Amino acid sequence: QVQLVQSGAEVKKPGASVKVSCKASGYTFTSYYIHWVRQAPGQGLEYMGWINPNNDDTKYIEKFQGRVTMTRDTSITAAYMELSSLRSDDTAVYYCVRLLCSGGHCYPDYWGQGTLVTVSS
Amino acid sequence: DILMTQSPSSLSASVGDRVTITCRASQGISNSLIWYQQKPGKAPKLLLYAASRLESGVPSRFSGSGSGTDCTLTISSLQPEDSATYYCQQYYNNPWTFGQGTKVEIK
Repeated sequence: QVQLVQSGAEVKKPGASVKVSCKASGYTFTSYYIHWVRQAPGQGLEYMGWINPNNDDTKYIEKFQGRVTMTRDTSITAAYMELSSLRSDDTAVYYCVRLLCSGGHCYPDYWGQGTLVTVSS
Repeated sequence: DILMTQSPSSLSASVGDRVTITCRASQGISNSLIWYQQKPGKAPKLLLYAASRLESGVPSRFSGSGSGTDCTLTISSLQPEDSATYYCQQYYNNPWTFGQGTKVEIK
């Protein structure tokens, strides 16, 4: 069965970086894009960008340009999201999400369990 | 970016009630819309995609309709386990954008 298992919670100081991992299993890792979405405590969902595990192509939304880096390691079927220059408003649960393309629609079908990143001095 | 406006922001209904949540897009999105259910401390769960297609394993009391700029999620007979926050999301354009959520409580 498809699973996306993320790394554990992190506590970071302002200005530091965090790298969240997303280990995929149960499907062909290079055949599906991985997207990243975050959710601040008690807030809604915010899109961050995507990576194509097949060729390492990435696209980030403008808000995170220069601060986010998405990578993958096909040998261990894992995707990573690194966010730098952390601020308190980066405190959120970060989710990796698999993109399924079927029947003319490309939509997110599986989510990781989420990784809480807390930024605090 | 496409703005998604969900209404209402919260509602309280009784078991067995019919519940409707609306999502309006700032521009046409065809039927490229998803509805999620999210419970506290959990990842969003996919309920419907392509506005009206029920994800495998989701109870048939959930249904969706609409296209263009207006879509609707209906729960035909509300159950206690449906207490959650519901989000719409458009995938017509990147970046994906989400409604602000509707919190559904059971009276």
